[in-house]
Amino acid sequence: EAQVTQNPRYLITVTGKKLTVTCSQNMNHEYMSWYRQDPGLGLRQIYYSMNVEVTDKGDVPEGYKVSRKEKRNFPLILESPSPNQTSLYFCASSFDRGNTEAFFGQGTRLTVV
Amino acid sequence: QQPVQSPQAVILREGEDAVINCSSSKALYSVHWYRQKHGEAPVFLMILLKGGEQKGHDKISASFNEKKQQSSLYLTASQLSYSGTYFCGTVAIGSSNTGKLIFGQGTTLQVKP
Repeated sequence: EAQVTQNPRYLITVTGKKLTVTCSQNMNHEYMSWYRQDPGLGLRQIYYSMNVEVTDKGDVPEGYKVSRKEKRNFPLILESPSPNQTSLYFCASSFDRGNTEAFFGQGTRLTVV
Repeated sequence: QQPVQSPQAVILREGEDAVINCSSSKALYSVHWYRQKHGEAPVFLMILLKGGEQKGHDKISASFNEKKQQSSLYLTASQLSYSGTYFCGTVAIGSSNTGKLIFGQGTTLQVKP
């Protein structure tokens, strides 16, 4: 089954403790991205990647890092999480840039206390 | 910059029609529409490309006015299953080589029996 898989689905952590949210897709998509969703603000892009080793900042990249060492994986790293990063995070992938459907993962609800 | 959606929320009775608008300050390459049910990931509805025609399937259709940098989503004879939050996503012409997809803040649609 074609899918985007995120882990974990839920995470509660403390301020400053490094964490990684994994994202993997099995559709051989070149394009992957991370969004955060907050009430009233919609989906805001954090980082995106056009291919292996090619990443770029989205609109809200501060406090986040990403890597794209393999085509299928695109982990999101929070080196020192803060409470303002409490949010619902979605990973998405698409075959091409801009003109094809984006497939979303199930979401990761992160709480930083 | 995020596209602006209107209205922010709408409540309908089954069988009624609704229109959701999406407006951008930038010239657009493509417009995407997604629906998100509570607690779930956004799901693709349709994509409209620059120079393309109006699209639709079943009772949901959309238009794209390139000159006005606007798109509208039309839901006719609404069903209970149409309830959810609708997001438009835009790729600006200047971003067509990167495919940077920016979402609006969402429109919450509630269909009542």
